[in-house]
Amino acid sequence: KAGVTQTPRYLIKTRGQQVTLSCSPISGHRSVSWYQQTPGQGLQFLFEYFSETQRNKGNFPGRFSGRQFSNSRSEMNVSTLELGDSALYLCASSESTGTGRPLHFGNGTRLTVT
Amino acid sequence: GESVGLHLPTLSVQEGDNSIINCAYSNSASDYFIWYKQESGKGPQFIIDIRSNMDKRQGQRVTVLLNKTVKHLSLQIAATQPGDSAVYFCAENGMASYDKVIFGPGTSLSVIP
Repeated sequence: KAGVTQTPRYLIKTRGQQVTLSCSPISGHRSVSWYQQTPGQGLQFLFEYFSETQRNKGNFPGRFSGRQFSNSRSEMNVSTLELGDSALYLCASSESTGTGRPLHFGNGTRLTVT
Repeated sequence: GESVGLHLPTLSVQEGDNSIINCAYSNSASDYFIWYKQESGKGPQFIIDIRSNMDKRQGQRVTVLLNKTVKHLSLQIAATQPGDSAVYFCAENGMASYDKVIFGPGTSLSVIP
């Protein structure tokens, strides 16, 4: 099976712009989670989608949003970018939601905000 | 809020020695624990997991130990190899439906040839 695919791999944006990141989960996986990774904060949970519905949300401002499509593919959007949004954004998929489910990660999208 | 933390941010070991990476968690209701390995330029990769009803689980060259009394988790890597150099994260997951997976800050393991 193909792994989790994230596009694009790298992005450079300027403050105030918006950005959309894409994630294709492993075939058959219905849950997609998004994480932000920075050197100072580590891996911070953004949100999780299952069956096109947001199931859980982390402590991020409303500028961060996401959605999931009927084929389980997911996108996340960040509006009005700030310098502090520079990070590696990781997407992970799992077969289901709830406890006891290992996450399978993509290699991330590196976002740089200038 | 709840957190999962690691005792040491960096660890250097000689090739062939055993490595032990430690993790403390604060949520006593956590039901499921996972160790991930992240190599440079890649996303975290699942290594091994353990449920709260177990205290030890073994994989290929890796063993995870869980001590629920002191809320401590450890990852043991036998005969450490240069390819084991990476950042290791412990993560925990609660028992409730849709509980998020929380990651610790990570430990950087360097293997000295």
